[in-house]
Amino acid sequence: AQSVTQLDSQVPVFEEAPVELRCNYSSSVSVYLFWYVQYPNQGLQLLLKYLSGSTLVESINGFEAEFNKSQTSFHLRKPSVHISDTAEYFCAVAGGNQGGKLIFGQGTELSVKP
Amino acid sequence: DAGVIQSPRHEVTEMGQEVTLRCKPISGHNSLFWYRQTMMRGLELLIYFNNNVPIDDSGMPEDRFSAKMPNASFSTLKIQPSEPRDSAVYFCASSSGQGNGYTFGSGTRLTVV
Repeated sequence: AQSVTQLDSQVPVFEEAPVELRCNYSSSVSVYLFWYVQYPNQGLQLLLKYLSGSTLVESINGFEAEFNKSQTSFHLRKPSVHISDTAEYFCAVAGGNQGGKLIFGQGTELSVKP
Repeated sequence: DAGVIQSPRHEVTEMGQEVTLRCKPISGHNSLFWYRQTMMRGLELLIYFNNNVPIDDSGMPEDRFSAKMPNASFSTLKIQPSEPRDSAVYFCASSSGQGNGYTFGSGTRLTVV
């Protein structure tokens, strides 16, 4: 069965600093990988996804994630964060024998301080 | 597209009462998912449908919970009778294929007192 581990439950960082949110997955077959963001009192929104091809994927607001098959990782990075990036971030995996299900990690709370 | 629409946004009810949560998926999406989110347990998949048929309900916590999808544009999640430990945010999501990810609704915040 597939699983997702987000290694940090909380990440505090100062504004304009770089940040990395870590995600590892376990799967014996090809997978699709996703990052979702949840702002306070809202639903989850798709931030970016990896399906195939280039291992580096980018979002429209400056985040990027790199698929590393050998390390089974899909870490999320941003070189300079803003206050508005404060939110909870979820890594998710789909594919294999999970049918249509997305398997979510436990989430990482990113707190950006001025 | 209006996205996935959930109602109500907030629900406060007394223990023992029946609660019905509603979801309208995105038109053309053939999969629908119900999730529950709490601080303690994070996001839990309760049940999902494919082409209106329940595929996996292993996450439904108890017989008090039931879900239906009578047609491609509507689904309900019912709790009867409700208990305080059911208090959570319930999300509905829909998808047109696992490679496309999910689109989530804004959620229903349920409080059972």
